[in-house]
Amino acid sequence: EAGVTQFPSHSVIEKGQTVTLRCDPISGHDNLYWYRRVMGKEIKFLLHFVKESKQDESGMPNNRFLAERTGGTYSTLKVQPAELEDSGVYFCASSGSSFYSPLHFGNGTRLTVT
Amino acid sequence: GQQLNQSPQSMFIQEGEDVSMNCTSSSIFNTWLWYKQDPGEGPVLLIALYKAGELTSNGRLTAQFGITRKDSFLNISASIPSDVGIYFCAGLTSGTYKYIFGTGTRLKVLA
Repeated sequence: EAGVTQFPSHSVIEKGQTVTLRCDPISGHDNLYWYRRVMGKEIKFLLHFVKESKQDESGMPNNRFLAERTGGTYSTLKVQPAELEDSGVYFCASSGSSFYSPLHFGNGTRLTVT
Repeated sequence: GQQLNQSPQSMFIQEGEDVSMNCTSSSIFNTWLWYKQDPGEGPVLLIALYKAGELTSNGRLTAQFGITRKDSFLNISASIPSDVGIYFCAGLTSGTYKYIFGTGTRLKVLA
């Protein structure tokens, strides 16, 4: 079974530009999550989709971040306009609907805002 | 908000030594997960714990779900060079699908 895939693996943009990250979850996984890790800190929750619905977006930093999951398959996370503090590694994870279905992570997108 | 305190932050050990790391919280969790992250990759699940007091092994790895449900530990026996990486704990509280992660333990193994 294919794992969680994320694109791009790296992105370097200037402050004020826009970047869109993409995540393809494991096929059949209804739960999709976005997390972010800034160097040396915890992996911080951003938001959670169940199918195409946003279940919990309490971790989204501000309205410069927009996540979508049209059709309940892949998801995108757009940052517009990017700020320096948005730099970090953005992870996507998915899980099945069972209580015993743990999170499976993609390899992340390393975003650098200069 | 909820926080997981993971310790130690980093460890340097000799190959063959045993390793122990833990996660504590003031909150109660219903599930504990332990992950390992290699450079340039995403975290990979090592062990999942679903019941207070549960002790689970995966090869040289053993993890326990604390009886108070506020802590968990991970032990690695007879460490080898490929154990190098960052180890994260994650907890899940009742009624939510939001996993909370610790800050990670960076492990380095000296051959």
